Amino acid sequence: DAGVTQSPTHLIKTRGQHVTLRCSPISGHKSVSWYQQVLGQGPQFIFQYYEKEERGRGNFPDRFSARQFPNYSSELNVNALLLGDSALYLCASSLESPGHSYEQYFGPGTRLTVT
Amino acid sequence: DQQVKQNSPSLSVQEGRISILNCDYTNSMFDYFLWYKKYPAEGPTFLISISSIKDKNEDGRFTVFLNKSAKHLSLHIVPSQPGDSAVYFCAASVSGGKLIFGQGTELSVKP
Repeated sequence: DAGVTQSPTHLIKTRGQHVTLRCSPISGHKSVSWYQQVLGQGPQFIFQYYEKEERGRGNFPDRFSARQFPNYSSELNVNALLLGDSALYLCASSLESPGHSYEQYFGPGTRLTVT
Repeated sequence: DQQVKQNSPSLSVQEGRISILNCDYTNSMFDYFLWYKKYPAEGPTFLISISSIKDKNEDGRFTVFLNKSAKHLSLHIVPSQPGDSAVYFCAASVSGGKLIFGQGTELSVKP
């Protein structure tokens, strides 16, 4: 079975531009979360979606937005890119079940470099 | 405010010995704890988890211990193997919500 997939793998953008990152969850998983990881730190929570509804939002500016589609895939959009947005962007999916499976499974990430 | 802390940035152990990675948390609302392993340029890989209603969970060479009164959890790897060399993150959540990660501990297992 395929794991979480993310595209693109790497991306180089210029300050002020806009970027869209994509994520496909594990088949059957209905919840998708986005995290940002900068070097030397643990991943920081950006958004969580379940059944196309936003479940949570981290402490990120409004330049960051996301959505989840009917097939449970998701997009993360970042507007007006800053140098500080350079990071590894991780997508994670989890299976919401009556027994509440709380494990989140991560994709390989998208490495964004802003110049 | 760092709600999840891993105070040891690095740990070095000999192959075959036990590796013990530690994690402290401050939020008593956390009810689920997870450990992830991460190689450079890859996403974190889920290793093992524990609910707050338990104090121990085992999976092969990996055991996680939870001490709720001390707000402390630890991951034991026995025996350690060179392939275990990676950065290990602990994470915590409230009712399956967002994961709050520690800063990570880099484990080096020497042959």
